[in-house]
Amino acid sequence: DSGVTQTPKHLITATGQRVTLRCSPRSGDLSVYWYQQSLDQGLQFLIQYYNGEERAKGNILERFSAQQFPDLHSELNLSSLELGDSALYFCASSARTSGGGELFFGEGSRLTVL
Amino acid sequence: AQRVTQPEKLLSVFKGAPVELKCNYSYSGSPELFWYVQYSRQRLQLLLRHISRESIKGFTADLNKGETSFHLKKPFAQEEDSAMYYCALNNAGGTSYGKLTFGQGTILTVHP
Repeated sequence: DSGVTQTPKHLITATGQRVTLRCSPRSGDLSVYWYQQSLDQGLQFLIQYYNGEERAKGNILERFSAQQFPDLHSELNLSSLELGDSALYFCASSARTSGGGELFFGEGSRLTVL
Repeated sequence: AQRVTQPEKLLSVFKGAPVELKCNYSYSGSPELFWYVQYSRQRLQLLLRHISRESIKGFTADLNKGETSFHLKKPFAQEEDSAMYYCALNNAGGTSYGKLTFGQGTILTVHP
C-alpha cells in the first residue's frame, strides 16, 4: 500500500506519559500534516511540515511537537499527557504546499489516556 | 476567526431522493472550500473542491459568496452515499492549502 501509513493504530497510556506517533506519507509527497480529532473539537489542524521544515502551525499545544525526517516520514510527540489529549490523530500528505490540492489521509492513531 | 458550520449532525433520506448537506463558512478573504467524505471503514478522502467545479459521484457544490455557503447536493441519493461528510475551508491565504478548518461533519444515511 503506497498510501499514508500511521503507527500505532491504537495506543493506551497513562496521564503524564509521553508517546510518539509515526506517519509515512505517500510516495513522493513532500508535505505532511497532523490533525487531531476529538469528540468536542472535531478535526483540528495541528502542524504542517514541508520537505523537513515546519510550514504552518495550528492550535498545537506546547506539550506537543513534531518533526519531519530526511526520508520524509514524520513523528508527532505528545508529552505530559492529559485525559483531554485522548483523540484520534490523523496524518495527511500532499505533493504540493500551496495552491488548491488534495490531502491524502492515513487511518489515524487512536490515543487513549487513562 | 475562520469558521465552518455544518448545521446537521445527522441527515436521513430515502434512496432516489434529493439530498443537500449544508455548509456555511465565515472567512474574511477569498475562500477555498472542499468537501471530504469518510465511508465506513475507509479513510477520509477528498470528494470535491469548489475551484474545480466538478461533479463527483453525482455530487455538486456551488460556492455562494453572498450567502457564504457551500452546500453539497445530489439529485438522487444512493445507498452507497451513506457516509460522514465534512466541509472544509483553506484559511491560510493560499500559502498552505493543507491547513484546513473543518466543520463538525454530517452523517448521511440513505435508506433503501
